[in-house]
Parts: sequence; structure tokens; C-alpha cells
Amino acid sequence: GAGVSQSPRYKVAKRGQDVALRCDPISGHVSLFWYQQALGQGPEFLTYFQNEAQLDKSGLPSDRFFAERPEGSVSTLKIQRTQQEDSAVYLCASSGGLAGLNEQFFGPGTRLTVL
Amino acid sequence: QKEVEQDPGPLSVPEGAIVSLNCTYSNSAFQYFMWYRQYSRKGPELLMYTYSSGNKEDGRFTAQVDKSSKYISLFIRDSQPSDSATYLCATYQGAQKLVFGQGTRLTINP
Repeated sequence: GAGVSQSPRYKVAKRGQDVALRCDPISGHVSLFWYQQALGQGPEFLTYFQNEAQLDKSGLPSDRFFAERPEGSVSTLKIQRTQQEDSAVYLCASSGGLAGLNEQFFGPGTRLTVL
Repeated sequence: QKEVEQDPGPLSVPEGAIVSLNCTYSNSAFQYFMWYRQYSRKGPELLMYTYSSGNKEDGRFTAQVDKSSKYISLFIRDSQPSDSATYLCATYQGAQKLVFGQGTRLTINP
């Protein structure tokens, strides 16, 4: 009965390094979402998968951000050549339904600090 | 202008007080409105949702939507220290994408 898990929980990167953030959704959940939460702000949508298909990536801030979910389960958010403005908590959420509006269950987030 | 606006606070009240948290939104097409609670270093968790206008009550919590003024409220009665958290209002943009307010940080003092 595990919820959404994310790893690592904390990541410190030097400016210019590449990072990879992992999300394990609730088993069987079809939809997976990534959000970015800056300090003192609400989460902002980055991208959305339905199974392995990335249906919406309109929130990705630049081409340095890339997300994948190759087998329709685990997802990875990759940030290339990290910048200080990338420092934020990256939240993953999953939901069970295909059609309609379904509750999104959030993981604890990965806190990324870029020095 | 952000699509969902929320007073960030912080808000500090004594235990037992009634708390009122508020948001406004800009798009009249929004139909579903949610309140999430986020404890420190945790992900948001859904507290309540309402559809269109009206009230919804769940224990000590009441969610209210006024579509004519595009105003969303969450009331907490008999507030407890365990209610101390950040409260986020949200709505769906399209079929799946959540749009959040800035969040209000609430502290209930024993």
C-alpha cells in the first residue's frame, strides 16, 4: 500500500551538472505528473504522462528539462546543465484514471539545490 | 496575472479559532476547485474538492465556492495545532493539469 515515492529526497548539484530525479508512482496508476515548487510558491505543472505517452510537456521551462516514462511505470525527470534558478522541490504525482478528473496523489518531492 | 491568486500569509491564530483561507481565480470556465494541505517537507494531500458553486462540509472543514465573484474559501472550525500547514487552493485547467495558488502558511498556536 505504498504511496508515490521519489528519489533522491535531496540533491545538491553544482551549476552546469546534469541531474536525474526518479518517481515511482502508485502501482497501476496510469497517469503521472511532474510539478515544480519554488520556495514559498505553489506547485507549477511541468509535464504529464498517460502510460508511456507524454501527452503534455507545456510546462517544461526550457529544453534542458526532459522527462521520460519508457515502460509506463517509473518516470525520470532529467535536468541538463543545471542553473541556480532550477533550485526547487520537484513533485511527482500519479492518478489512477484515464478519463475524467481523478485525484492526484503526490510524492514527498525531491529538493534540488543548485550551487 | 496568475490564474489562481492566494494570499500567502503567513497566518497565525490561537487554538480553537475559526480560520478563513481564500483564493480568487480568473477563468470562469474553471469548474472543480480543490484544497490541498501540505505539511513541511511533504507533498500536498487533497483535503476537499467542490464542483461549481456552493458549500461542502467535512468535519471541521467547509469549502465554499462563489462563481459569480470567482472566490474560493476554506473554513476551519475549532482549529488544532495539527492543522498547522500550508494550504493550497487549486483548480483543473483542461482535463488533468492542476493549477495552484501560492499557498497560505497557517500556524495554530496552542
